[in-house]
Amino acid sequence: AQSVTQLDSHVSVSEGTPVLLRCNYSSSYSPSLFWYVQHPNKGLQLLLKYTSAATLVKGINGFEAEFKKSETSFHLTKPSAHMSDAAEYFCVVSDTGGTSYGKLTFGQGTILTVHP
Amino acid sequence: KAGVTQTPRYLIKTRGQQVTLSCSPISGHRSVSWYQQTPGQGLQFLFEYFSETQRNKGNFPGRFSGRQFSNSRSEMNVSTLELGDSALYLCASSLGVRRSGANVLTFGAGSRLTVL
Repeated sequence: AQSVTQLDSHVSVSEGTPVLLRCNYSSSYSPSLFWYVQHPNKGLQLLLKYTSAATLVKGINGFEAEFKKSETSFHLTKPSAHMSDAAEYFCVVSDTGGTSYGKLTFGQGTILTVHP
Repeated sequence: KAGVTQTPRYLIKTRGQQVTLSCSPISGHRSVSWYQQTPGQGLQFLFEYFSETQRNKGNFPGRFSGRQFSNSRSEMNVSTLELGDSALYLCASSLGVRRSGANVLTFGAGSRLTVL
């Protein structure tokens, strides 16, 4: 079984300040982990993925995430927020074995607001 | 190359009717997955098709069904519509290869269904 918890439903930052979106997961197998972003009235866009290679993963638009197995966390960060980063972000886990293979389980989402 | 195309983008139905949504995957992708997105339940997995066979299924009633054609295009059908079926239905395609890191989903823009 797999599950994911996003610890904040809303995060508000000022433009130019760091962003931290928190995510904890559970998985019966070595998981694949993803962060997706959804802008209003748009589909989901992949930001980055972790697939058992390097624990620090770099994605698009300056975002990074670090896989910490001991803490079962996969937090998303960005050093400096931009107005265009305002969107909803989803942490996603996918089991790499068992009956859930290929099925994505989404967190409830974190809405990021960026103030000028 | 062309992305994942979903049609129609918006539709309105009344209770008791049925609806069919279509998804054209990225060329070369053999797996198509469907997700339902609502404000209350978030993103939930409906089913996955690979090479015209349903490979994985979420916890939805039998009113929700799907199929995949030989060209990998997929349709999902919802019969006897209920008010609670109002949602954004997202389709995603991938290569469908079951090894770590390979199952990265690309999402379409979605079909927004309103049931009155």
